[in-house]
Order: sequence, then C-alpha cells, then structure tokens
Amino acid sequence: EDQVTQSPEALRLQEGESSSLNCSYTVSGLRGLFWYRQDPGKGPEFLFTLYSAGEEKEKERLKATLTKKESFLHITAPKPEDSATYLCAVQATGANNLFFGTGTRLTVIP
Amino acid sequence: GAVVSQHPSRVICKSGTSVKIECRSLDFQATTMFWYRQFPKQSLMLMATSNEGSKATYEQGVEKDKFLINHASLTLSTLTVTSAHPEDSSFYICSASTRKRGQDIQYFGAGTRLSVL
Repeated sequence: EDQVTQSPEALRLQEGESSSLNCSYTVSGLRGLFWYRQDPGKGPEFLFTLYSAGEEKEKERLKATLTKKESFLHITAPKPEDSATYLCAVQATGANNLFFGTGTRLTVIP
Repeated sequence: GAVVSQHPSRVICKSGTSVKIECRSLDFQATTMFWYRQFPKQSLMLMATSNEGSKATYEQGVEKDKFLINHASLTLSTLTVTSAHPEDSSFYICSASTRKRGQDIQYFGAGTRLSVL
C-alpha cells in the first residue's frame, strides 16, 4: 500500500534560518514525487516533480532532492512569505492519481 | 499557463439541498481531472478521477450517487453533492492534469469551502 509520511508536522523558523523538510515514501513503483505549497484556504500550488533517485530541482530559495526512500525540501534563508503548508505526493507507476502526505506547516518569523 | 478555475469558492446551504461545483482548465485541455476532499489540518484525499466522455472512477468508500461527477468537455468537470448533510461540510479541491515538458503535472483549483447547515 502506498504511504507518504512527512516530518516534522510543524516547523517554526527565524527569517534566514535554513532547514529541511522530509518526505518518506513507500510505493510499489515510483512514477513521480511531487512537492506542492498550500496557503490557508487555497488549493495546492505546484513546485517540483522528481522522477529518479539523485535528481535535484531548485526554485528560488527551495531545493528538492530525491532518494529511493525519501525526498527533502531544503529551504535556504527563508522569508516570512515562505510560510505555508508544504505537501509531498507520490504517483505510482501506471497511475494517474497522486497520494498525498499530511504536510509540514512552516512558519517563518520575521 | 496551466490555470485551473474552481467555482464557487464558498457555499453555504441548507441540509437536503444539492450543490454543484465547477472546475475549469482555462488555458489547456485536460482529459483527466481529479476531485479531492480535505478536512482541517489533514491532507488531500482523492475522491474520484474524472475522464472526459466517460464515467468517473470513484475511490473506495466514496458514494457515487452522493457525489455526482460529470466531465462533459476537455475543459470542464463538475461535482454535484446531492442531498447535502452537515457531515458533507468540507473543503473540496479539483485538479486537472496536463503534460508540460514531457511531465504529467496536476494543477489545482483554489478549492470550494462547503458548509451545510
């Protein structure tokens, strides 16, 4: 059974304090791993897709990495506007749908 | 590009009434759309996969007669919550799948907050 576990559940950072969010996954065959950002009361906003172990993608202060068992979302020198819930989702081989984790709620304090 | 519009953003209705939610892909065609439900501080739970021109595929435990899905065109899918009850109150989010640079990406609407009194 597909499983996605995100940690920590919540994270408070000072502005400029870099950190990483973890997404551990179990899936029969990985088609893709997705990172989304969700603001309160809004739909998820697409950030990255990773397909194979060793792959890395970057966007502004965010960098996503992937191994065979987990993915990390590194946040470098975060700003208050980076505060949001970050969701990780996996797509299994042969499937169209995404299976989501429960997210990490990030708060960046000025 | 890849904008998904969802309407309405919020709806309050009386118990027993039906509510229709629309999901449109504005700048791309989507053969597949998805409907999710999200409870407070929980993740998105897939309810059903909607394919243009065919019947939706519902996840286990989701009542297809309760949550009617229609995907009549390549840019529009609708979810109708029939005879809504307070336990149906939730945040409903749709997504549409498209291929960008060889990758299948799901883009999400802004969600609909349903409150059933």
